[in-house]
Amino acid sequence: KAGVTQTPRYLIKTRGQQVTLSCSPISGHRSVSWYQQTPGQGLQFLFEYFSETQRNKGNFPGRFSGRQFSNSRSEMNVSTLELGDSALYLCASSLTLRGISYEQYFGPGTRLTVT
Amino acid sequence: SQQGEEDPQALSIQEGENATMNCSYKTSINNLQWYRQNSGRGLVHLILIRSNEREKHSGRLRVTLDTSKKSSSLLITASRAADTASYFCATEDYGGSQGNLIFGKGTKLSVKP
Repeated sequence: KAGVTQTPRYLIKTRGQQVTLSCSPISGHRSVSWYQQTPGQGLQFLFEYFSETQRNKGNFPGRFSGRQFSNSRSEMNVSTLELGDSALYLCASSLTLRGISYEQYFGPGTRLTVT
Repeated sequence: SQQGEEDPQALSIQEGENATMNCSYKTSINNLQWYRQNSGRGLVHLILIRSNEREKHSGRLRVTLDTSKKSSSLLITASRAADTASYFCATEDYGGSQGNLIFGKGTKLSVKP
């Protein structure tokens, strides 16, 4: 099975711009989660989608949004970028069956640099 | 917010030695997972242990879970230079949100050849 893929791998943006990151989960996985990783805050949960619905959301401002398509692919968008948004953005997919969670499989991440 | 706290923050050992990392967490959990990350790349899943399990093995890895003490440990036996990485524990809260893992800050393991 192909793993989780994320595009682009690297991105440089300017303050005030917006950015869209893409994630393709492992085939058959309907749950997609997004995380932000920074040296200061570590790994923090952004949101999770299941069957095109956002089920859970972390403690991030409304500038961070996402969506999931019918094929389970997901995108996240950050509007009005700030310097502090520079981070590694990780996407993970997993099986969720009858309320039981399984391990999450992570993509390689998108390294976003905001200048 | 951080749930798991790994200890130690950094660990340096020689090849062939065992490495033990500990994780403490604050709330009741559904499961606890360990991940490895090489130098700013994606995370690799190592082991998932559910709240009703006490010990799990996978190859050279052994994970224990003590829910009464809210702690877990990861043991890597006969370490290799390729084990050099950061190791994170992550918890899914009991009755909490699926797909939402709360990570600790990690243990940076360095295995010297």
